[in-house]
Amino acid sequence: QITLKESGPTLVKPTQTLTLTCTFSGFSLSTSGVGVGWIRQPPGKALEWLALIYWDDDKRYSPSLKSRLTITKDTSKNQVVLTMTNMDPVDTATYYCAHGAIVATMGDYFDYWGQGTLVTVSS
Amino acid sequence: DIQMTQSPSSLSASVGDRVTITCRASQGIRNDLGWYQQKPGKAPKRLIYAASSLQSGVPSRFSGSGSGTEFTLTISSLQPEDFATYYCLQHNSYPFTFGPGTKVDIK
Repeated sequence: QITLKESGPTLVKPTQTLTLTCTFSGFSLSTSGVGVGWIRQPPGKALEWLALIYWDDDKRYSPSLKSRLTITKDTSKNQVVLTMTNMDPVDTATYYCAHGAIVATMGDYFDYWGQGTLVTVSS
Repeated sequence: DIQMTQSPSSLSASVGDRVTITCRASQGIRNDLGWYQQKPGKAPKRLIYAASSLQSGVPSRFSGSGSGTEFTLTISSLQPEDFATYYCLQHNSYPFTFGPGTKVDIK
C-alpha cells in the first residue's frame, strides 16, 4: 500500500525559504522507473506541477519556478525534500507530493497523493 | 510548454445525467493524459490514466477516450458523490501541465 505525507511549516514570512518533506511508504525511490513529484494549489485555483525527482536522481522543474526550487531525495529515509526560496504571498497554497512512474504498468504519473499541506506566506 | 484547456469550465447536472468533459492539448501528447477528481479540502484522486485506462477501484461509470490533442472524460450516469472538480494532466513533456478544471455541481 502506497502512502505519502507532506510535512513542513504552515506559515512562512516573505523572502524566507520554504522546506517541505514528503515521507512515503509502500515503494522505493531506488526502484527503476519510479519518481516523486510536487504539485501545489493556491486557494480556489487550479493545480500546478512544480518538480519531479526520479530513482536515478534525474530532476525536473517547472521553468517558471526553476530558479527558486530544489528537489532532493533520501532513499534510505524514504523522503523527498522540496525547497523554495524567496517566498512571496502568491506562493500561498496547498502543497502535495505524489508518486509517479515512467510507464503505465508501474502506475504512471501521480496515481497516489499525499493529503497536502497548506502553506501561508505572510508577515 | 504544452497548454491544456478544458471545456466547459463548469456545468450543472442532475443525478443520472450523462456528463462529458473535454480536454485539449496545444500539441500532440499521444495518450499521456490522466483525469483527476477533486473534492473540497481533499487531494486529487486519479480516475483515468493513459487517456482511457480506468484506475483500479474507480466505478465503471467513468470512462476516458482520446489521443493526440483531444480527450474526453465521460460519466455515464452522474451520482451524488460525483459532484466535484475534474482536472486533466498531461505528462508527455516537461513541464507537466494541468487543465484549469471543470466544476460539476448540482442542477
